[in-house]
Amino acid sequence: QLQLQESGPGLVKPSETLSLTCTVSGGSISSSPYYWGWIRQPPGMGLEWIGSIYSTGSTYYNPSLKSRVTISLDTSENQFSLRMYSVTAADTAVYFCARDKLNTMDVWGQGTTVTVSS
Amino acid sequence: QSALTQPASVSGSPGQSITISCTGTSSDVGSYNLVSWYQQHPGKAPKVIIYEVTKRPSGIFNRFSGSRSGNTASLTISGLQAEDEADYYCCSYAGSSTFVFGTGTKVTVL
Repeated sequence: QLQLQESGPGLVKPSETLSLTCTVSGGSISSSPYYWGWIRQPPGMGLEWIGSIYSTGSTYYNPSLKSRVTISLDTSENQFSLRMYSVTAADTAVYFCARDKLNTMDVWGQGTTVTVSS
Repeated sequence: QSALTQPASVSGSPGQSITISCTGTSSDVGSYNLVSWYQQHPGKAPKVIIYEVTKRPSGIFNRFSGSRSGNTASLTISGLQAEDEADYYCCSYAGSSTFVFGTGTKVTVL
């Protein structure tokens, strides 16, 4: 059974870089035809798609976040990562990783809370 | 890429049917058969309940059904039950391997 688990610092200072990792177990991150993505949810608000990466390393980003985000793949560790630069309080959210199977996010991690504060 | 528009809240009594709308544009909902719906209980991760507009994943009750007309997709919950009380989000493919979520709808079972 495929499982995803987010990990990373729960507190990030304004203007610094947010770094999160999603560890995949029960399946290979190199399998096709899957993409691996990140979604976030600010407190009390809705879901926002951040971006995704394919097993080949091709990346796709939300146009509104594209200039501040990088998603990468580590096939040796069966993980993929999110880096978001120059964060502000508006980036405070629960961050979810998910598998994108044929344009449907069918398996999700439990989410990790990131607070941006000095 | 603007969020898809959903009603903030919908309510119904047990056994009733409710419908949640999800309005996008001809660049997303109206262009692709790639609308999915997610159910999210408080403090939990979202769970897919409808994909590709009308399809249900295995294990999802047939009380949940999806449809689309033009730029608006809809989720119908028939025979509403207490455990259906949750937040619901639509999501559409928006071209170039990007996605856009809806604003979310809180369903209350009276």
